[in-house]
Amino acid sequence: NAGVTQTPKFQVLKTGQSMTLQCAQDMNHEYMSWYRQDPGMGLRLIHYSVGAGITDQGEVPNGYNVSRSTTEDFPLRLLSAAPSQTSVYFCASTPQRGAGYTFGSGTRLTVV
Amino acid sequence: QKEVEQDPGPLSVPEGAIVSLNCTYSNSAFQYFMWYRQYSRKGPELLMYTYSSGNKEDGRFTAQVDKSSKYISLFIRDSQPSDSATYLCAMNNLSGRTGANNLFFGTGTRLTVIP
Repeated sequence: NAGVTQTPKFQVLKTGQSMTLQCAQDMNHEYMSWYRQDPGMGLRLIHYSVGAGITDQGEVPNGYNVSRSTTEDFPLRLLSAAPSQTSVYFCASTPQRGAGYTFGSGTRLTVV
Repeated sequence: QKEVEQDPGPLSVPEGAIVSLNCTYSNSAFQYFMWYRQYSRKGPELLMYTYSSGNKEDGRFTAQVDKSSKYISLFIRDSQPSDSATYLCAMNNLSGRTGANNLFFGTGTRLTVIP
């Protein structure tokens, strides 16, 4: 099925560990974003990309890195995990500015 | 003050009822308005998309935008148990450094439709 694929679905990390959340889309969308979803906070933008090789920070970028070497893939790296990064992470893509986004099914991350 | 405010509910209605979900916002520059449905432990799914003010209908769903009041609504007619989910409003304005790529979300309203 066409769409946005995220792996892993669940992850438990120890404080200080690093990891990469994977995101891939097969719709040839130029725009991709990472959001985190926390109770009572809604979804907040971490980083986004407007095309291969172009990324920028969103509202809550601290502690995260991204890169976009291909149109399809947009991995999110946690540099040194902290308990405050316990959240559900969603990757999303859209073909154009202002259009609706297609979301992945999410990665549930717990940092202990 | 949050940019987008949404009553978290929960909201319980009997099957067949008309459901009204609402969001208010503070940024008058918002132009694109969306409603997403999110089932438990799933990603948000785009339900309705509107540009500027007005109404849009799609089957049992109607989205309304009143920019003068900074108020948007989603109506669900003949609600079904399968409509039980969390409904998220979202909007953006295509301006600013992140505006074009940042959806501002409400916190979501949890809806349960009772058979």
